[in-house]
Amino acid sequence: AQSVAQPEDQVNVAEGNPLTVKCTYSVSGNPYLFWYVQYPNRGLQFLLKYITGDNLVKGSYGFEAEFNKSQTSFHLKKPSALVSDSALYFCAVRDSNSGNTPLVFGKGTRLSVIA
Amino acid sequence: EPEVTQTPSHQVTQMGQEVILRCVPISNHLYFYWYRQILGQKVEFLVSFYNNEISEKSEIFDDQFSVERPDGSNFTLKIRSTKLEDSAMYFCASSVGLADYNEQFFGPGTRLTVL
Repeated sequence: AQSVAQPEDQVNVAEGNPLTVKCTYSVSGNPYLFWYVQYPNRGLQFLLKYITGDNLVKGSYGFEAEFNKSQTSFHLKKPSALVSDSALYFCAVRDSNSGNTPLVFGKGTRLSVIA
Repeated sequence: EPEVTQTPSHQVTQMGQEVILRCVPISNHLYFYWYRQILGQKVEFLVSFYNNEISEKSEIFDDQFSVERPDGSNFTLKIRSTKLEDSAMYFCASSVGLADYNEQFFGPGTRLTVL
């Protein structure tokens, strides 16, 4: 069965500094990996996904994520954090070898960017 | 930009009562989902729906739950006899296709409180 781990409940970073939100996954086949962001009183918004190809994926709002197969990781990154990036971030995975499997989410990481 | 919408934003009900949570998916999407998130826990898959029938459901989605697409736009989740442990945020999502690499678009959620 697939699973996702987000080891940090909270990440604090100063505005202008680089940020990283960690995610590791477990699937039996090849993973499809997703990052979503949730702002207060809003739904989950899609940020980016990895399907195949280039390990560095670029997404919305200047975010990117790097797929690392050997470390089974898909960390979310941004070179320079903004206060407006403060939100709850979810990593999710689907197993490409298991048909129409549901998205499996991590528990979320709260990012706080301090001015 | 098209969005998934959900009503109500907050529903308070007494234990044992029936509730219906409503969602309007993005208009050209064909696949619909319900997820829930108990406070402080992971987002969990409940059910997926396509072509007027359930495609897949989790063990959470027992006989107390049902889904329906009563017309061309709404997608509803009914809980027949609510329990205290049904208190959670319920998210509706839709996707244009069923392929595992298609991202799902989420609504803002309905917070269900069972007293």
